[in-house]
Amino acid sequence: AQSVTQPDIHITVSEGASLELRCNYSYGATPYLFWYVQSPGQGLQLLLKYFSGDTLVQGIKGFEAEFKRSQSSFNLRKPSVHWSDAAEYFCAVVVGGTGGYNKLIFGAGTRLAVHP
Amino acid sequence: DTAVSQTPKYLVTQMGNDKSIKCEQNLGHDTMYWYKQDSKKFLKIMFSYNNKELIINETVPNRFSPKSPDKAHLNLHINSLELGDSAVYFCASSQGQVQYFGPGTRLLVL
Repeated sequence: AQSVTQPDIHITVSEGASLELRCNYSYGATPYLFWYVQSPGQGLQLLLKYFSGDTLVQGIKGFEAEFKRSQSSFNLRKPSVHWSDAAEYFCAVVVGGTGGYNKLIFGAGTRLAVHP
Repeated sequence: DTAVSQTPKYLVTQMGNDKSIKCEQNLGHDTMYWYKQDSKKFLKIMFSYNNKELIINETVPNRFSPKSPDKAHLNLHINSLELGDSAVYFCASSQGQVQYFGPGTRLLVL
């Protein structure tokens, strides 16, 4: 079955430090991959997506992610974290649903805390 | 200019009651969804509608009944609420593969 794994439940970094959030997926075909961010008490905002082409994708708020097919990974990175980046981050993959319609499968999320 | 909106934002109710959550999108998308986020922040799809037609139903108890009066609206009615229904419910819409989410409705069943 298709699945998304985020190995790190909770990560703490210092403001200004670099960040990498890990995501591994299990999906037979070429995946459509996403990272969403959920700030406390807020909805989900799309950070970036990968469909095809260049395996390094740029997103909003200075985030980027790299698709590595050989490792079934889609890790999210940011060179310098800001205190406002503290949030829950979700990796997701679109998989085929009933009748050819697609649905999002989410990882369990990684909670990012930022120390001043 | 809100893209996907939900009402109410918060809902506190007693066990056994019936309640509804409303969702509207002004993006012109054909497909809408309901997701449930549990207390551990895990997100799981419940339903999806395409042009008012149910296309995904993920083994949700039949106390949950979605209704789509038109393709811009997808409401969720819940009968006989149980403690385990306490969660955040997110509506989303899409045209293609990218889904856009509403702000969520925080439901607490006492």
